[in-house]
Amino acid sequence: DIQMTQSPSSLSASVGDRVTITCQASQAIKNHLNWYQQKPGKAPNLLIYDASNLKAGVPSRFSGSGSGTDFTFTISSLQPEDIATYYCQQYDNFPLYTFGQGTNLEMK
Amino acid sequence: EVQLVQSGAEVKMPGESLKISCKASGYSFPSFWIGWVRQKPGKGLEWMGIIHPGDSDPRYSPSFQGQVTMSADNSFSTVYLQWRSLKASDSGIYYCARHPIVSQPDYWGQGTLVTVSS
Repeated sequence: DIQMTQSPSSLSASVGDRVTITCQASQAIKNHLNWYQQKPGKAPNLLIYDASNLKAGVPSRFSGSGSGTDFTFTISSLQPEDIATYYCQQYDNFPLYTFGQGTNLEMK
Repeated sequence: EVQLVQSGAEVKMPGESLKISCKASGYSFPSFWIGWVRQKPGKGLEWMGIIHPGDSDPRYSPSFQGQVTMSADNSFSTVYLQWRSLKASDSGIYYCARHPIVSQPDYWGQGTLVTVSS
Protein backbone atom coordinates (compact mmCIF):
# COMPACT_ATOMS: atom_id res chain seq x y z
CA ASP A 1 0.00 0.00 0.00
CA ILE A 2 1.04 3.60 -0.58
CA GLN A 3 1.61 5.42 2.70
CA MET A 4 0.94 9.14 3.01
CA THR A 5 2.95 11.10 5.56
CA GLN A 6 1.34 14.42 6.36
CA SER A 7 2.92 17.18 8.43
CA PRO A 8 2.59 18.87 10.74
CA SER A 9 -0.02 16.94 12.71
CA SER A 10 -1.17 20.19 14.30
CA LEU A 11 -0.65 23.84 13.55
CA SER A 12 -1.55 27.10 15.26
CA ALA A 13 -1.81 30.28 13.17
CA SER A 14 -3.32 33.76 13.23
CA VAL A 15 -5.84 35.38 10.95
CA GLY A 16 -4.07 36.53 7.81
CA ASP A 17 -1.19 34.07 8.15
CA ARG A 18 0.04 31.94 5.30
CA VAL A 19 -0.40 28.29 6.24
CA THR A 20 1.39 25.38 4.59
CA ILE A 21 0.81 21.66 5.02
CA THR A 22 2.89 18.98 3.32
CA CYS A 23 2.13 15.44 2.29
CA GLN A 24 4.70 12.89 1.17
CA ALA A 25 3.85 9.65 -0.62
CA SER A 26 5.85 6.46 -0.05
CA GLN A 27 6.10 6.07 -3.82
CA ALA A 28 5.42 8.25 -6.84
CA ILE A 29 1.74 8.94 -7.43
CA LYS A 30 1.96 11.44 -10.32
CA ASN A 31 -0.56 14.18 -9.44
CA HIS A 32 -3.17 11.78 -8.04
CA LEU A 33 -3.82 13.65 -4.82
CA ASN A 34 -6.84 15.20 -3.14
CA TRP A 35 -6.98 17.66 -0.26
CA TYR A 36 -9.99 17.72 2.10
CA GLN A 37 -11.23 19.99 4.85
CA GLN A 38 -13.18 18.54 7.77
CA LYS A 39 -14.89 20.65 10.40
CA PRO A 40 -15.93 19.13 13.75
CA GLY A 41 -19.02 16.96 13.50
CA LYS A 42 -19.17 17.30 9.71
CA ALA A 43 -18.32 15.13 6.73
CA PRO A 44 -15.10 15.90 4.85
CA ASN A 45 -15.25 18.37 1.98
CA LEU A 46 -13.07 18.05 -1.11
CA LEU A 47 -11.11 21.26 -1.77
CA ILE A 48 -8.44 20.30 -4.30
CA TYR A 49 -8.12 17.41 -6.74
CA ASP A 50 -5.34 16.32 -9.08
CA ALA A 51 -2.92 17.97 -6.64
CA SER A 52 -3.55 21.53 -7.79
CA ASN A 53 -7.09 21.89 -9.18
CA LEU A 54 -9.47 23.89 -7.03
CA LYS A 55 -12.96 22.43 -6.79
CA ALA A 56 -15.64 24.82 -8.02
CA GLY A 57 -16.80 27.20 -5.32
CA VAL A 58 -13.71 26.81 -3.12
CA PRO A 59 -12.10 30.16 -2.22
CA SER A 60 -8.97 31.02 -4.15
CA ARG A 61 -6.93 31.44 -0.95
CA PHE A 62 -6.63 27.65 -1.00
CA SER A 63 -4.08 26.12 -3.35
CA GLY A 64 -2.14 22.93 -3.90
CA SER A 65 1.03 21.95 -5.70
CA GLY A 66 3.37 19.05 -6.25
CA SER A 67 3.73 15.82 -8.15
CA GLY A 68 5.50 12.53 -7.73
CA THR A 69 6.02 12.09 -3.99
CA ASP A 70 5.95 15.61 -2.51
CA PHE A 71 2.88 17.79 -2.22
CA THR A 72 1.97 21.08 -0.57
CA PHE A 73 -1.34 22.59 0.50
CA THR A 74 -1.44 26.34 1.19
CA ILE A 75 -3.90 28.80 2.64
CA SER A 76 -2.62 32.18 1.52
CA SER A 77 -4.39 34.24 4.18
CA LEU A 78 -6.00 32.31 7.02
CA GLN A 79 -9.62 33.15 7.82
CA PRO A 80 -11.51 32.18 10.98
CA GLU A 81 -13.77 29.82 9.01
CA ASP A 82 -10.70 27.83 7.87
CA ILE A 83 -10.25 26.31 11.32
CA ALA A 84 -10.59 22.59 10.63
CA THR A 85 -8.64 19.41 10.09
CA TYR A 86 -7.09 18.94 6.66
CA TYR A 87 -6.32 15.61 4.98
CA CYS A 88 -4.47 14.58 1.87
CA GLN A 89 -5.55 11.43 0.00
CA GLN A 90 -3.78 9.59 -2.81
CA TYR A 91 -5.74 7.78 -5.52
CA ASP A 92 -2.98 6.50 -7.75
CA ASN A 93 -3.99 2.84 -7.57
CA PHE A 94 -7.73 2.13 -7.64
CA PRO A 95 -9.22 1.13 -5.21
CA LEU A 96 -6.23 1.30 -2.85
CA TYR A 97 -6.75 4.91 -1.87
CA THR A 98 -5.13 6.12 1.36
CA PHE A 99 -5.41 9.23 3.53
CA GLY A 100 -2.73 11.11 5.35
CA GLN A 101 -2.99 11.32 9.14
CA GLY A 102 -4.50 14.79 9.10
CA THR A 103 -3.43 18.27 10.21
CA ASN A 104 -5.43 19.96 12.95
CA LEU A 105 -5.39 23.70 12.23
CA GLU A 106 -6.12 25.94 15.22
CA MET A 107 -6.36 29.68 15.63
CA LYS A 108 -3.59 31.31 17.65
CA GLU B 1 -31.28 18.36 -5.09
CA VAL B 2 -28.73 15.62 -4.56
CA GLN B 3 -28.96 14.09 -1.10
CA LEU B 4 -27.38 11.14 0.65
CA VAL B 5 -29.23 10.27 3.85
CA GLN B 6 -27.66 7.70 6.14
CA SER B 7 -29.38 5.52 8.70
CA GLY B 8 -29.30 6.42 12.37
CA ALA B 9 -26.81 5.71 15.12
CA GLU B 10 -26.40 2.13 16.26
CA VAL B 11 -25.27 0.60 19.54
CA LYS B 12 -24.33 -3.06 19.29
CA MET B 13 -22.55 -5.75 21.27
CA PRO B 14 -19.47 -7.56 19.99
CA GLY B 15 -20.40 -10.48 17.78
CA GLU B 16 -23.68 -8.97 16.61
CA SER B 17 -24.46 -8.28 12.97
CA LEU B 18 -25.31 -4.88 11.51
CA LYS B 19 -26.37 -3.29 8.24
CA ILE B 20 -26.32 0.47 7.78
CA SER B 21 -27.65 2.33 4.78
CA CYS B 22 -27.03 5.32 2.56
CA LYS B 23 -30.13 6.40 0.60
CA ALA B 24 -29.57 8.55 -2.45
CA SER B 25 -31.99 10.96 -4.11
CA GLY B 26 -31.98 13.76 -6.66
CA TYR B 27 -29.91 12.02 -9.35
CA SER B 28 -29.65 8.84 -11.40
CA PHE B 29 -28.59 6.38 -8.70
CA PRO B 30 -27.12 3.63 -10.97
CA SER B 31 -24.80 6.09 -12.70
CA PHE B 32 -22.53 7.16 -9.83
CA TRP B 33 -20.07 5.37 -7.57
CA ILE B 34 -20.70 5.45 -3.81
CA GLY B 35 -17.66 5.30 -1.52
CA TRP B 36 -17.35 4.64 2.21
CA VAL B 37 -14.99 6.24 4.74
CA ARG B 38 -14.55 5.34 8.39
CA GLN B 39 -13.51 7.71 11.17
CA LYS B 40 -12.75 6.19 14.54
CA PRO B 41 -13.48 8.41 17.56
CA GLY B 42 -11.03 11.30 17.62
CA LYS B 43 -9.01 9.83 14.76
CA GLY B 44 -8.39 10.37 11.05
CA LEU B 45 -10.15 9.24 7.91
CA GLU B 46 -9.84 5.69 6.56
CA TRP B 47 -10.81 4.74 3.02
CA MET B 48 -12.93 1.59 3.04
CA GLY B 49 -13.88 1.07 -0.57
CA ILE B 50 -16.39 1.90 -3.27
CA ILE B 51 -19.28 0.36 -5.16
CA HIS B 52 -20.92 1.14 -8.47
CA PRO B 53 -24.67 0.52 -8.22
CA GLY B 54 -24.76 -0.13 -11.95
CA ASP B 55 -22.89 -3.42 -11.55
CA SER B 56 -23.01 -3.83 -7.73
CA ASP B 57 -19.39 -4.93 -7.79
CA PRO B 58 -17.68 -3.54 -4.68
CA ARG B 59 -13.99 -2.75 -4.56
CA TYR B 60 -12.48 -2.87 -1.09
CA SER B 61 -9.42 -1.39 0.53
CA PRO B 62 -7.27 -4.32 1.70
CA SER B 63 -7.77 -3.25 5.33
CA PHE B 64 -11.50 -3.82 5.00
CA GLN B 65 -11.62 -6.74 2.55
CA GLY B 66 -13.37 -9.62 4.30
CA GLN B 67 -14.38 -7.41 7.24
CA VAL B 68 -17.40 -5.68 5.70
CA THR B 69 -19.74 -6.17 2.77
CA MET B 70 -20.91 -3.37 0.49
CA SER B 71 -24.05 -3.80 -1.55
CA ALA B 72 -26.53 -1.74 -3.55
CA ASP B 73 -30.26 -1.95 -4.20
CA ASN B 74 -31.27 0.04 -7.26
CA SER B 75 -34.96 -0.40 -6.39
CA PHE B 76 -34.46 1.66 -3.26
CA SER B 77 -31.56 3.85 -4.49
CA THR B 78 -29.68 2.67 -1.43
CA VAL B 79 -26.20 1.41 -0.70
CA TYR B 80 -25.53 -0.75 2.34
CA LEU B 81 -22.55 -1.52 4.55
CA GLN B 82 -22.81 -4.76 6.48
CA TRP B 83 -20.95 -6.62 9.22
CA ARG B 84 -21.53 -10.29 10.16
CA SER B 85 -19.77 -10.15 13.51
CA LEU B 86 -18.92 -6.76 14.97
CA LYS B 87 -15.82 -6.04 17.03
CA ALA B 88 -15.17 -3.13 19.37
CA SER B 89 -12.62 -1.87 16.83
CA ASP B 90 -15.47 -1.35 14.32
CA SER B 91 -16.74 1.58 16.39
CA GLY B 92 -16.69 4.88 14.57
CA ILE B 93 -18.51 7.18 12.21
CA TYR B 94 -19.14 5.82 8.73
CA TYR B 95 -19.61 8.26 5.87
CA CYS B 96 -20.89 7.52 2.39
CA ALA B 97 -20.16 9.83 -0.53
CA ARG B 98 -21.15 10.06 -4.17
CA HIS B 99 -18.29 9.92 -6.67
CA PRO B 100 -19.04 11.30 -10.15
CA ILE B 101 -15.42 10.49 -10.89
CA VAL B 102 -14.16 7.48 -8.97
CA SER B 103 -11.42 9.52 -7.32
CA GLN B 104 -13.51 12.59 -6.45
CA PRO B 105 -16.48 12.67 -4.05
CA ASP B 106 -18.93 15.54 -4.36
CA TYR B 107 -21.89 14.88 -2.02
CA TRP B 108 -21.63 13.25 1.39
CA GLY B 109 -24.03 11.63 3.81
CA GLN B 110 -24.27 12.97 7.34
CA GLY B 111 -22.49 9.95 8.80
CA THR B 112 -23.65 7.00 10.88
CA LEU B 113 -22.19 6.50 14.36
CA VAL B 114 -21.63 2.85 15.19
CA THR B 115 -20.77 1.97 18.77
CA VAL B 116 -19.74 -1.59 19.58
CA SER B 117 -19.42 -2.22 23.28
CA SER B 118 -20.15 -4.93 25.79
